[in-house]
Amino acid sequence: DTEVTQTPKHLVMGMTNKKSLKCEQHMGHRAMYWYKQKAKKPPELMFVYSYEKLSINESVPSRFSPECPNSSLLNLHLHALQPEDSALYLCASSQGPGQTYQETQYFGPGTRLLVL
Amino acid sequence: DQQVKQNSPSLSVQEGRISILNCDYTNSMFDYFLWYKKYPAEGPTFLISISSIKDKNEDGRFTVFLNKSAKHLSLHIVPSQPGDSAVYFCAASATHATNKLIFGTGTLLAVQP
Repeated sequence: DTEVTQTPKHLVMGMTNKKSLKCEQHMGHRAMYWYKQKAKKPPELMFVYSYEKLSINESVPSRFSPECPNSSLLNLHLHALQPEDSALYLCASSQGPGQTYQETQYFGPGTRLLVL
Repeated sequence: DQQVKQNSPSLSVQEGRISILNCDYTNSMFDYFLWYKKYPAEGPTFLISISSIKDKNEDGRFTVFLNKSAKHLSLHIVPSQPGDSAVYFCAASATHATNKLIFGTGTLLAVQP
């Protein structure tokens, strides 16, 4: 089973709202990722969590706040977003560094976010 | 600086024929390469990968070829089926440094019945 689930599927929010995106995997993976994908562009890495610790932050604005409550869950808290933040937000997971030499990342279906 | 490039934005192939999708990279530190398939408004689905210690990997109808000296990889789909119509992304990582994936810009494959 290589399933990563994401909720909600769609989200519309105003620029003053606070919302959260959720991601879950039950594959025992120890690395989890947030990507952002704009239309007709490749996914771009935002954050990497490794063993529940933030290991990479790709200079993402502070209005995006990741959280990894446990090894199966990854949240992305959103506050004071801008219309240009509208995109498909993808979560992925992989076995985790040190467990395999070369890892495959498995992606969830994404959350389509629209900021008005 | 685009480290992974897919120079063909689109490709159209007849059902039953071979589809060949190409990808070039510039970073010689990349040692693991993957192909993902993506339908609109869905997440990428992993298809096949190849380590830099190999030059070919095959899984059913999908074969990936790696030419390290040319920094080039290709995905062959034989025979192509209408359900293969999607955007295909190649991705690369330098696994000894980080498990960060760098994606190419994608190729839209259309398989005509």
